[in-house]
Amino acid sequence: QSALTQPASVSGSPGQSITISCTGTSSDIGNYNFVSWYQQHPGKGPKLIIYDVNTRPSGVSNRFSGSKSGNTASLTISGLQTEDETDYYCSSHTTSGTLVFGGGTKLTVL
Amino acid sequence: QLQLQESGPGLVKPSETLSLTCAVSGDSITSRTYYWGWIRQPPGKGLEWIGSIYFTGSTYYNPSLKSRVTISVDTAKIQFSLKVNSVTAADTATYYCARHTWNYRIDYWGQGTPVTVSA
Repeated sequence: QSALTQPASVSGSPGQSITISCTGTSSDIGNYNFVSWYQQHPGKGPKLIIYDVNTRPSGVSNRFSGSKSGNTASLTISGLQTEDETDYYCSSHTTSGTLVFGGGTKLTVL
Repeated sequence: QLQLQESGPGLVKPSETLSLTCAVSGDSITSRTYYWGWIRQPPGKGLEWIGSIYFTGSTYYNPSLKSRVTISVDTAKIQFSLKVNSVTAADTATYYCARHTWNYRIDYWGQGTPVTVSA
């Protein structure tokens, strides 16, 4: 199985909005609404911020939102804050019953 | 509050077997809702799912690693384990254990344990 495709990096200014894309195939993202997004700060384990494409776990800021169109999922962060500067990963359930991650995106808040 | 704690050698020689255990506390490992998985992250790189297990012993593996990986569960000791055979430097990574739902929503992660493959 091939990794989902994410941009290596994105950037934005405080207060702005950014979107991170995550492109898969009809065997993963395109077939299910089971896309998750994780935030990972340096030296820490990942933290779930979005699941089932657009659902936020309890305690996650409503500045994080998710969507999907076809084989591509997206994570939008609005009202960028300096604390959002870190790495983000998408993942999806696959038709083989396995899990695949994206390569990760480094967000820089300028 | 669920806690997951990885343990095992931090250094493994090439061609040998990497063995890690994840101790589960604060929840039942026999919960019918959750699966237990292993994910790794090479230094400076992204996440890679290794495989998962249900408390009944059913396993699911990354096709690219399946030939070298075994995941097992010990419900009496409330832990699950990972073995990777014939390791090379490419297996050097931080290894995380995690809990997830049937559709791979990973809601809890261990703190991760670094493993280096080197002679």
